[in-house]
Amino acid sequence: GAGVSQSPRYKVAKRGQDVALRCDPISGHVSLFWYQQALGQGPEFLTYFQNEAQLDKSGLPSDRFFAERPEGSVSTLKIQRTQQEDSAVYLCASSFSGFSSGANVLTFGAGSRLTVL
Amino acid sequence: GQQVMQIPQYQHVQEGEDFTTYCNSSTTLSNIQWYKQRPGGHPVFLIQLVKSGEVKKQKRLTFQFGEAKKNSSLHITATQTTDVGTYFCAAPDNYGQNFVFGPGTRLSVLP
Repeated sequence: GAGVSQSPRYKVAKRGQDVALRCDPISGHVSLFWYQQALGQGPEFLTYFQNEAQLDKSGLPSDRFFAERPEGSVSTLKIQRTQQEDSAVYLCASSFSGFSSGANVLTFGAGSRLTVL
Repeated sequence: GQQVMQIPQYQHVQEGEDFTTYCNSSTTLSNIQWYKQRPGGHPVFLIQLVKSGEVKKQKRLTFQFGEAKKNSSLHITATQTTDVGTYFCAAPDNYGQNFVFGPGTRLSVLP
């Protein structure tokens, strides 16, 4: 597609429910990033994929968070047993180049706003 | 890991006034990027700076990368209401494979 597509745009979950957030990057983009953005804060890194390989997951806050990109295109961020502190906007970004190229320009999706009650 | 700081956190200006936001790192950066996020929107890439002392201009926006590659600034001349939003700097993390974003400077422009 022309841009990075994320779904759902809004998700309300009861505490303890599992959620899955989808990211469809720009076709052909090698790199895919997930960020978490709390209200009034900057994006916080969660995880990074180069094609289907998850090269960095150091930002995932707990083992309740899991991300995959099995075919090197669409990615899913799954949050198990959601907690209120998980409420945030989850941003996906993709880039044409691999990270090491030094020429990464991130194109962000519109984000998925998660509210945990 | 890498951390980047930004000041000020907020800036309110009258339309037509100038605006500057500063980004600082304790370590030398290979490059730095600037993004703009409109209220309710998502970050949009503005520019990347790579060379020591580099200056780039985009219409009323001037971006600078410090000589030591530890700081950067974004200056907007004669602000307009369309400049409203939060401006983030972002730099590659030294240890991981990700971009670290600063906390942002939120700009309000009063007409």
